[in-house]
Amino acid sequence: QQQVKQSPQSLIVQKGGISIINCAYENTAFDYFPWYQQFPGKGPALLIAIRPDVSEKKEGRFTISFNKSAKQFSLHIMDSQPGDSATYFCAASGGFGNEKLTFGTGTRLTIIP
Amino acid sequence: DGGITQSPKYLFRKEGQNVTLSCEQNLNHDAMYWYRQDPGQGLRLIYYSQIVNDFQKGDIAEGYSVSREKKESFPLTVTSAQKNPTAFYLCASSIGGARETQYFGPGTRLLVL
Repeated sequence: QQQVKQSPQSLIVQKGGISIINCAYENTAFDYFPWYQQFPGKGPALLIAIRPDVSEKKEGRFTISFNKSAKQFSLHIMDSQPGDSATYFCAASGGFGNEKLTFGTGTRLTIIP
Repeated sequence: DGGITQSPKYLFRKEGQNVTLSCEQNLNHDAMYWYRQDPGQGLRLIYYSQIVNDFQKGDIAEGYSVSREKKESFPLTVTSAQKNPTAFYLCASSIGGARETQYFGPGTRLLVL
C-alpha cells in the first residue's frame, strides 16, 4: 500500500526530445506527489510537485501529468538538454498520521547529443 | 548561507564499530530525516524527527540510532548491529510534515573496511 512504482529504471533520450518517466501508487490517501532531481554525488532537490486537485502542472520545460483514477503520475521533460542528465525520483505522501515521503526507485536519465 | 551540512563526506567503518554521521541545518526547520540510498533502491527512510527530543522509526531503522537534542542537529549512529552499512546516507529537513519541500544535504558515503 505504501509503495510507489517507478519506470523505466534508465532512459536515454536524444537532445531536444521528450523524456517521460512514469510512477504508479496504490495508497488512495496519498495527496502530494513531488519529483526530485539528483546529480551524481549530490543530494536530491525538489523539481516540481503536484496535488490531486489538478491534472497537470507545468514549470518551464517540466510538466507533471496526474491521473487520479488510474493512480498514476508522470514527469515530462520537453526539449531535453544534456544538463538534464540526472537521476529522477518520484515520491508520494498523505493520509492520516503519515508524515513520510515514499520514494520510487529512481530513473537514470541520459540525454545524448 | 542557509542549508544543510553533512560530515564527513566519506566514512570508513571497521567490523564491530559504531560510527556517527553528522547532520546540521540552519534553515530553522522543525522536521529532519535520514535516508539510505542504495543503487536501484531509491531512498529509504531510516528515522525522522518532527520536533526536538522526539523521533520515529522509518522503514529500515534496525541497526541505526538517532538523537534530536537540538533543533539544528540530527546525528545518525550506524551501530555494529547493521550488517550491511555500505551506502550513501542523506539527511534532509523541512518546515513541517511530508507535504513540505524536503531540502537535502550533500550526503555521506559509508564504506566498510
